Amino acid sequence: EADIYQTPRYLVIGTGKKITLECSQTMGHDKMYWYQQDPGMELHLIHYSYGVNSTEKGDLSSESTVSRIRTEHFPLTLESARPSHTSQYLCASSDRQGFSSMNTEAFFGQGTRLTVV
Amino acid sequence: GNSVTQMEGPVTLSEEAFLTINCTYTATGYPSLFWYVQYPGEGLQLLLKATKADDKGSNKGFEATYRKETTSFHLEKGSVQVSDSAVYFCALILTGGFKTIFGAGTRLFVKA
Repeated sequence: EADIYQTPRYLVIGTGKKITLECSQTMGHDKMYWYQQDPGMELHLIHYSYGVNSTEKGDLSSESTVSRIRTEHFPLTLESARPSHTSQYLCASSDRQGFSSMNTEAFFGQGTRLTVV
Repeated sequence: GNSVTQMEGPVTLSEEAFLTINCTYTATGYPSLFWYVQYPGEGLQLLLKATKADDKGSNKGFEATYRKETTSFHLEKGSVQVSDSAVYFCALILTGGFKTIFGAGTRLFVKA
C-alpha cells in the first residue's frame, strides 16, 4: 500500500475562508503532484514539485498555491475559497527507479473532497 | 502532442462478462504505460503497468499488452465481478519524463 496521506477527507467551508489541504508521504519521493478531478472524472494537473523548495504550475490554471519546505509535505492553500473551487483534490508522489532514468508510477492519496458553500 | 485516448463510458456489463476497455496513445519514444483504478470515494491505485513493447502487465485477473505497432494498451478481464465497478484510467510516462499523462477515464458498472 502507498504511504501517502491527505487530510481532511471531506471539507465543507464557507465562501471567503482560507483553507489548506494537507498531503504527506513517507516514501521519500522527490516528486509530488496535485490534481483536480472534475465530476466528469478527468484529472487535471494543477501543481507539481521536483523536490524541496521547487514548485511549478501544472497544465490547468488554479488560484491555489503550494509549498514544499520538506520532502514529505506538499500542502495546497486557497486564500479565499469560492464555490467554483468545489472539487475533488488528489495528491500524488513518484520517484526515480534506482539509478535508472525511469520514473516510477505515481502513488495517490485518498483525496480531499472540498465543497465551498 | 503526447496524449492518451480511451473509450468513452459508461460501460455496463453483467457479472462474469468479458471486459475490454480500449486505450491508444500518442507519444514520442517508448513511454511506460499504466492502468489505474479508482473505486468510489477513493484515490487512484495502480492496477498494472508495462514498460516496453510486447510486455504484458497483469493483476487481479486484468491484463494489458503494450503494442508498439498499434500504439495501444487495451485492458481486458475474462470475467468481471460486481466489485470491479470503478473508473479505469489509462496513462503513460514519457521516456526520461516523470509527469503522468492520463486518459479521460472510463466508468465501469457491473450488474449482479
